[in-house]
Amino acid sequence: QQQVKQSPQSLIVQKGGIPIINCAYENTAFDYFPWYQQFPGKGPALLIAIRPDVSEKKEGRFTISFNKSAKQFSLHIMDSQPGDSATYFCAAKVTGGGNKLTFGTGTQLKVEL
Amino acid sequence: DTGVSQNPRHKITKRGQNVTFRCDPISEHNRLYWYRQTLGQGPEFLTYFQNEAQLEKSRLLSDRFSAERPKGSFSTLEIQRTEQGDSAMYLCATPGYKKNTGELFFGEGSRLTVL
Repeated sequence: QQQVKQSPQSLIVQKGGIPIINCAYENTAFDYFPWYQQFPGKGPALLIAIRPDVSEKKEGRFTISFNKSAKQFSLHIMDSQPGDSATYFCAAKVTGGGNKLTFGTGTQLKVEL
Repeated sequence: DTGVSQNPRHKITKRGQNVTFRCDPISEHNRLYWYRQTLGQGPEFLTYFQNEAQLEKSRLLSDRFSAERPKGSFSTLEIQRTEQGDSAMYLCATPGYKKNTGELFFGEGSRLTVL
């Protein structure tokens, strides 16, 4: 089964810090790598996504770094705020599978004042 | 507002009962997806529709599960003879504006608790 492994499981940072969440995939049959943010009681919401031929993508305070040879990618949140406290999921889109996604297990982020 | 409405938001049932969840996309989309999310895990793909046609079903979708999209608009997910292991959040999603980028708009989900 295609898998996406995510770490850490939980993370606590101070306001203004830069939390980093890491993911690794095992199968090359993926062609897009989105990150989702989920608040309690809500469905996941897309944050940012990257193609495997791009090494870095920034949108606002969120940055994805992608290492194709290592099959690893990570999310950095610059100048983190308490409102960023949520669960973050990396995901991988199956090539040719519409928007069929394989998700990581999630990272629960808490940003403290 | 993600444009996807799901009902009921929470369902508590006894083991062995049947339950049905409904998903209503606000705007028309050719594709519609169902995912399941258990506590502390990421969403897992269950099935998806292209208009009325169910194009793919995950191995997670046992014979007790059936999904339909009769008119290519709303969709239903029925679970027969529920088991405690079916307790989860059932999420419906439609594609985002950026085609084939992994962008999905998820509803707020229907949480199932099987006692």
